[in-house]
Amino acid sequence: GDSVTQMEGPVTLSEEAFLTINCTYTATGYPSLFWYVQYPGEGLQLLLKATKADDKGSNKGFEATYRKETTSFHLEKGSVQVSDSAVYFCALTSILSNFGNEKLTFGTGTRLTIIP
Amino acid sequence: DAGVIQSPRHEVTEMGQEVTLRCKPISGHDYLFWYRQTMMRGLELLIYFNNNVPIDDSGMPEDRFSAKMPNASFSTLKIQPSEPRDSAVYFCASSFGSGGPQETQYFGPGTRLLVL
Repeated sequence: GDSVTQMEGPVTLSEEAFLTINCTYTATGYPSLFWYVQYPGEGLQLLLKATKADDKGSNKGFEATYRKETTSFHLEKGSVQVSDSAVYFCALTSILSNFGNEKLTFGTGTRLTIIP
Repeated sequence: DAGVIQSPRHEVTEMGQEVTLRCKPISGHDYLFWYRQTMMRGLELLIYFNNNVPIDDSGMPEDRFSAKMPNASFSTLKIQPSEPRDSAVYFCASSFGSGGPQETQYFGPGTRLLVL
């Protein structure tokens, strides 16, 4: 079945450091790829997404490029802030048919802590 | 819009008791999802509905779990009888998915359940 493998955490960085969180996937069909973020005590929020190969999703300074050749969707940010401290989830969906099983499959999450 | 609303936010109960979790999706959304989040298993999809009809309940762990969606603005997840291993954070999410559930899902704040 479809699966997502994320970089294990926790990850601790200093403010203004460069961030990369690795994500690779296995899927049949044509997946859309997502990064969700979960701030402490809250539900998940969509951070960015890409729906086809070579698309780049971006939001709040974060970027991720859909790489079909390497089945990857790594999350990057050039300069992190304390407010970026959260848990980040990589996820995918794939369309198997109009009425097939089209659910989101999440990775295990990567906890990011930014220290001042 | 108020977003996805879940109640209660916290629930503490004793083993064997019935637990009912409630969700109000975003108005106009036609998909509703129930997820469970634990440290051991991460984020798991339990069940999802389209236009109030259950589409995929393969993630429901066992017969003690049941979910209903009597109308477009309300859903419940019931556990009867509850067990300590059901302790988790339960999230409800909704989406407007003209193209299927791969559309952006909006998560509620979650219900933190503790079964003693």
